[in-house]
Amino acid sequence: GQNIDQPTEMTATEGAIVQINCTYQTSGFNGLFWYQQHAGEAPTFLSYNVLDGLEEKGRFSSFLSRSKGYSYLLLKELQMKDSASYLCAALDSNYQLIWGAGTKLIIKP
Amino acid sequence: SAVISQKPSRDICQRGTSLTIQCQVDSQVTMMFWYRQQPGQSLTLIATANQGSEATYESGFVIDKFPISRPNLTFSTLTVSNMSPEDSSIYLCSVDTAGTSGRAPYEQYFGPGTRLTVT
Repeated sequence: GQNIDQPTEMTATEGAIVQINCTYQTSGFNGLFWYQQHAGEAPTFLSYNVLDGLEEKGRFSSFLSRSKGYSYLLLKELQMKDSASYLCAALDSNYQLIWGAGTKLIIKP
Repeated sequence: SAVISQKPSRDICQRGTSLTIQCQVDSQVTMMFWYRQQPGQSLTLIATANQGSEATYESGFVIDKFPISRPNLTFSTLTVSNMSPEDSSIYLCSVDTAGTSGRAPYEQYFGPGTRLTVT
């Protein structure tokens, strides 16, 4: 079957760095997405990786290893507004998104 | 990018009634997606709506319960029929920027969601 695993909840301190991991098992693979979702709001796009390696975009970076079925989202210089759920989603061979349950990130002062 | 609006933003409905949710996109797209997100859960795809053809439903979702219309390339509706408290959820409309899945890289955009409470 198809499956996405990511931690349920993580806590980090303002100004620090946090890494949110995601492992996936899909029928075929056409890319890995990360979305941010604040409570009560719709998800917003953060990143898309289809090749191995690190993609950096400001304070956020996303990494992909296709051979390991693994990705992580790295958030630097954490701010209180980064408190949100972070959703990992993999695109399978039918170009259907398989969603993880999300990681709730709590930022403490 | 795509700007998506949904109506209503929230509603409280009685058991046994039906609610139709509207989704409007500011550009023409081939495929529109309807998701459900229950409290504390991730997104679950209900169906994919293509203009000019029947919607494609995911396992566990049927047309009689969730009829979908797609009259043109910028608009779709999802009806939640014969509602029960288990249907209480956020319903999200979504499109991808490629318009047709398969052209990467692309982004998937979401509407603001419709928060449904069934009593």
